[in-house]
Amino acid sequence: KNEVEQSPQNLTAQEGEFITINCSYSVGISALHWLQQHPGGGIVSLFMLSSGKKKHGRLIATINIQEKHSSLHITASHPRDSAVYICAYNTDKLIFGTGTRLQVFP
Amino acid sequence: EPEVTQTPSHQVTQMGQEVILRCVPISNHLYFYWYRQILGQKVEFLVSFYNNEISEKSEIFDDQFSVERPDGSNFTLKIRSTKLEDSAMYFCASQGEYEQYFGPGTRLTVT
Repeated sequence: KNEVEQSPQNLTAQEGEFITINCSYSVGISALHWLQQHPGGGIVSLFMLSSGKKKHGRLIATINIQEKHSSLHITASHPRDSAVYICAYNTDKLIFGTGTRLQVFP
Repeated sequence: EPEVTQTPSHQVTQMGQEVILRCVPISNHLYFYWYRQILGQKVEFLVSFYNNEISEKSEIFDDQFSVERPDGSNFTLKIRSTKLEDSAMYFCASQGEYEQYFGPGTRLTVT
């Protein structure tokens, strides 16, 4: 049983498109993370949020704690956004989703 | 900006050999973690470490695994007798007040 579900698993976009990646989880949490994993394997934390919405550059993350759902949006996508995007929730450790592989073509 | 570092970046070892993966967490962080990612699979929690002891470990973290913070800066993961299925990317992370910061990972290949 996967406690964190992401959709879609794979996403292909043309440069400039608006991207949405969804994350659903099954337990009550205090915070959710969005992470980016580059093709080389490194993991970078993008957001940690516990309510509402956060924005950083072209990235926007939203969370609805009651509905146990979060979304990551990328505006004006660019080929350099190509990566795997992972949501994870925090208990005493991170529980990871399976990731969404995004490819943005010029 | 402070960062978590890991060495080596890639380790190749033979089945049955011992390996030690090293991490230097961010200096004022108190919580440390090891995660692993088998190729093509999701990242999995192995162990968390706080106040010089293990605070939680997963089912994966059996007697073949151990962690140590030998000198107040390094944080090591030891696998005593490696198996083929230990081949994976191993990530160290350290946590400040809220967020976890990941190292670049060590790719372990067991042949």
